[in-house]
Amino acid sequence: GAGVSQSPSNKVTEKGKDVELRCDPISGHTALYWYRQSLGQGLEFLIYFQGNSAPDKSGLPSDRFSAERTGGSVSTLTIQRTQQEDSAVYLCASSLGGRWADTQYFGPGTRLTVL
Amino acid sequence: GNSVTQMEGPVTLSEEAFLTINCTYTATGYPSLFWYVQYPGEGLQLLLKATKADDKGSNKGFEATYRKETTSFHLEKGSVQVSDSAVYFCAGNAGGTSYGKLTFGQGTILTVHP
Repeated sequence: GAGVSQSPSNKVTEKGKDVELRCDPISGHTALYWYRQSLGQGLEFLIYFQGNSAPDKSGLPSDRFSAERTGGSVSTLTIQRTQQEDSAVYLCASSLGGRWADTQYFGPGTRLTVL
Repeated sequence: GNSVTQMEGPVTLSEEAFLTINCTYTATGYPSLFWYVQYPGEGLQLLLKATKADDKGSNKGFEATYRKETTSFHLEKGSVQVSDSAVYFCAGNAGGTSYGKLTFGQGTILTVHP
């Protein structure tokens, strides 16, 4: 079946611009996660949605970062006024539920480059 | 807080050599533990997992045992192949109410030569 998809696969933007990254989770998965992979910081958790519960935003690095999940499916991560340190690969994952033993399935990522 | 410490690489081996990549964790409660692999040009994929103490996860000849007494989850393979060349990440979730978040180790680059 279809896996997690993300778009765009690559995004180059200028410092100060806003960007939107999209994630389509696996159908039927109720939990959705965003992570960031960068050379200096490794893989970092950003935000987690589980069903209709309030999202866990504890990993968002600043108030320039926000995310929403519409209709319990597609999610958009928005970065406002991008900075060079935002350059990274942004990964989305989904799992069947948000339970502790659930496997998270990752998308291919969006590579963001801020010039 | 929760943390995962992973043996840093890179690791370079000859085909058929024995592989160990060390991973230790610090967590409140009892996390589930995972090994993810990222092959060149591909996304992260689950290699194996263990959800409680003394559980052994295994897949594709790789094994890891959840050792509560040493808080470890070391990855092993008896005979590596060139196709195992990839980046390997150890990860754990936080348990409790934060079980959705995975904390990752820094990753270990494995290169296997013929």
